[in-house]
Amino acid sequence: TQLLEQSPQFLSIQEGENLTVYCNSSSVFSSLQWYRQEPGEGPVLLVTVVTGGEVKKLKRLTFQFGDARKDSSLHITAAQPGDTGLYLCAGESPAGGSYIPTFGRGTSLIVHP
Amino acid sequence: ETGVTQSPTHLIKTRGQQVTLRCSSQSGHNTVSWYQQALGQGPQFIFQYYREEENGRGNFPPRFSGLQFPNYSSELNVNALELDDSALYLCASSLFAVGFAETQYFGPGTRLLVL
Repeated sequence: TQLLEQSPQFLSIQEGENLTVYCNSSSVFSSLQWYRQEPGEGPVLLVTVVTGGEVKKLKRLTFQFGDARKDSSLHITAAQPGDTGLYLCAGESPAGGSYIPTFGRGTSLIVHP
Repeated sequence: ETGVTQSPTHLIKTRGQQVTLRCSSQSGHNTVSWYQQALGQGPQFIFQYYREEENGRGNFPPRFSGLQFPNYSSELNVNALELDDSALYLCASSLFAVGFAETQYFGPGTRLLVL
């Protein structure tokens, strides 16, 4: 069973602060995705990283895939209250012709105004 | 373009009962995956359907079953409900193509409470 561990589990910060969320595994993934989930809604895809060492930026969010494709990080610069939510990472690896995703437990972020 | 929809939004059942949850895929998608998300946890993969056949299954017992219809909508059936089945059930649709990991689009989920 492939496991993805996310840290920290909870994060409560003030508006304007920076933060980094980590996603680690002992397994290699063909791709890794980051989602944000708000209460009462399904996860919404933020980014997919595929290549080891890849860095992607989405406005104030920076995503990095580890060189060995086993870990990833999400860095948010100058956090805003609208960034509040559950951040999930999900790794995908092929299994019998389909790609079965494994999700981490998530990091619950609260940004106070 | 219509997004992924799920029904019902909330449901209360008692132990031993059976439940059917429904999902309509996003327009143009041919694959549906179902997930269980317990409180404080990430989504756990239940199974995936492609062209009306099961195309992968997670670590869930056989009392969790599914169907995909010709219009690519889907049902998740759970028999003999247990208290631990209380969770948010998420459906995600995608366009399957061999050789790459397709992007999944999630519905808002069905919140199931088993008493």
